[in-house]
Amino acid sequence: GAVVSQHPSWVICKSGTSVKIECRSLDFQATTMFWYRQFPKQSLMLMATSNEGSKATYEQGVEKDKFLINHASLTLSTLTVTSAHPEDSSFYICSAPGTTNQETQYFGPGTRLLVL
Amino acid sequence: EDQVTQSPEALRLQEGESSSLNCSYTVSGLRGLFWYRQDPGKGPEFLFTLYSAGEEKEKERLKATLTKKESFLHITAPKPEDSATYLCAAATDSWGKLQFGAGTQVVVTP
Repeated sequence: GAVVSQHPSWVICKSGTSVKIECRSLDFQATTMFWYRQFPKQSLMLMATSNEGSKATYEQGVEKDKFLINHASLTLSTLTVTSAHPEDSSFYICSAPGTTNQETQYFGPGTRLLVL
Repeated sequence: EDQVTQSPEALRLQEGESSSLNCSYTVSGLRGLFWYRQDPGKGPEFLFTLYSAGEEKEKERLKATLTKKESFLHITAPKPEDSATYLCAAATDSWGKLQFGAGTQVVVTP
């Protein structure tokens, strides 16, 4: 398997502020990571693909200027929610492919964001 | 349009009462069908990958099977610690871009 961590585990912020969420691959390198969002009682929806050293690719309907993704190293991807609004409140989860099996995604523990 | 649908939405079982969860998929070019377990407030935990129709995989009380249109997750003699939401997901374009079903919430009572 592979261990993926996220920080923070939960965050509360005021409307209009920006929030940064970190996703780290522990003890392995990941040139690609993925960011998902999960609303209550709903399934995970892919937001974007984070690529080390290059621009992220976003899924249809996801605003790239609002959800800034940076993959500055082989073990860290960050998602910044800019000018957050209450409708951005959600559970944000990242994933990375395993080391022995690149076909399988291993997920972080998630970050709960509440925008007041 | 690709779709992954899970049923039932929720399942309440007595300890030891075996049951099956269904995941039907309509996708073009399935690379693999994944099963994950998700506990409340946590990220999904990998269980199985199935690649082709007829394939089966087992892990403890769980067994996953795949046909050309659906996948089943059988839970044999479940225990309370099997309580969780079980998610299935299809990989098509790439291994990392997963399309998830809405999940089946399983509660196992002693």
